[in-house]
Parts: sequence; C-alpha cells; structure tokens
Amino acid sequence: AQKITQTQPGMFVQEKEAVTLDCTYDTSDQSYGLFWYKQPSSGEMIFLIYQGSYDEQNATEGRYSLNFQKARKSANLVISASQLGDSAMYFCAMREGRLSSGTASKLTFGTGTRLQVTL
Amino acid sequence: DAGVTQSPTHLIKTRGQHVTLRCSPISGHKSVSWYQQVLGQGPQFIFQYYEKEERGRGNFPDRFSARQFPNYSSELNVNALLLGDSALYLCASSLVLAGFGEQFFGPGTRLTVL
Repeated sequence: AQKITQTQPGMFVQEKEAVTLDCTYDTSDQSYGLFWYKQPSSGEMIFLIYQGSYDEQNATEGRYSLNFQKARKSANLVISASQLGDSAMYFCAMREGRLSSGTASKLTFGTGTRLQVTL
Repeated sequence: DAGVTQSPTHLIKTRGQHVTLRCSPISGHKSVSWYQQVLGQGPQFIFQYYEKEERGRGNFPDRFSARQFPNYSSELNVNALLLGDSALYLCASSLVLAGFGEQFFGPGTRLTVL
C-alpha cells in the first residue's frame, strides 16, 4: 500500500490566487512527521514546511500552510498568493517512528504534483 | 555557508560499469542520506550514515554501497550498472540522526546508463 498518496499529477493556478495540493498518508505509528518539499527543474529539493503528529496547530511558514487533518490522515499544502516562481514539482513526505528513537531519518515521498502558475 | 554539494553534476555510463557519486554535507552536519529519484517518481531512500556508521538502508540490492569519511563527506557506489539505475541521485545532510532533523538536499547527480 502507498504510504504517501498525491492524487493530483498536475495543477494550474493563476498568479495571486491560492492553491491546495493534496496529500494523504498511511501509517500505524502514533509519532510521525509530515514534510512538504518543492523541486524546481534544477532538481534540488527545497524544504517548505513540517507538521508533527502531535502538533495541535496547523503549521505555517510565510505563504505556506499545512492543513493537517489527523483523523482523515491528510496533510494538504496551501500556497497563498501564488507567484510565477512557485511553478515546480511539490512532494509530500513522511518520517515514521519516534523522533528521538535514534533510527534512521528515512523520508517516504509521494509521487508529486506539478504546479504551474499562470498569468 | 555552503549548502550540500554533490559531484559530478551529470554522468553517463554503460551497462555493467561501476560509478561513484560524492556528497559533501553542510558544515557541522554529521548525517548524510542518499536517495534515488527515477523520472516521474518521488525520491526513494537508499542509505543513511551518521558518524561514519550505516544507520539505515532502503530496499536496494547489494550492488549499492556507501561510506562516510571522517570529515562526514560520503560516497555512493553502484556496481554492475543496469539501465534501471538511470536516475537523479540526491544527497541530504542533517545535523542530527533523530529528532526533527530537517534534511537539506543537494542539487543531485543525474546518472544516465546506456
């Protein structure tokens, strides 16, 4: 079974509009972390935002916010006021297990969503 | 401060050959992880090294190996290359092994196997 599911292969949004990128996850761990990364055509993965499973409030970082619905196992990324430079691939990822366990910080990624911002 | 650096940027090899990819973590970071990203997919975890010891391994064949040096830089080696090994290989460094341990990624090495 897919641990991270991103059902939107591609999305279009007009400049200055908000857009939501979907992510659902599957884990039996109580302690886990959810990440969103941006990957421009250059290939480098750029960290955007993090949500811990025990965090009570949704994470926000500037124009990025994470709509975390634990019961639904979803962690959607909301980008407000889209800019042309936001055009890129966006990946949702999960790290399972207790964050202090000393086990590997393995990230499991989804297949990504390609976002295109238009004028 | 410099970010994560990887070399080479691009590489073309033929089937059966061997390849070595290199990664230098951010200064002060002791953990290095390697990921393989096949075209159209998300990255897949290969290895994590911390303090020169292997701390995690993904579902990859023994043709894949890695090591970490005393200066925390790392090498990923792939033997007997197959066409399916063509991918973007990403290196990520983090300050600690566990905890939030945000991973900072390098620009990647694009490997093409002919």
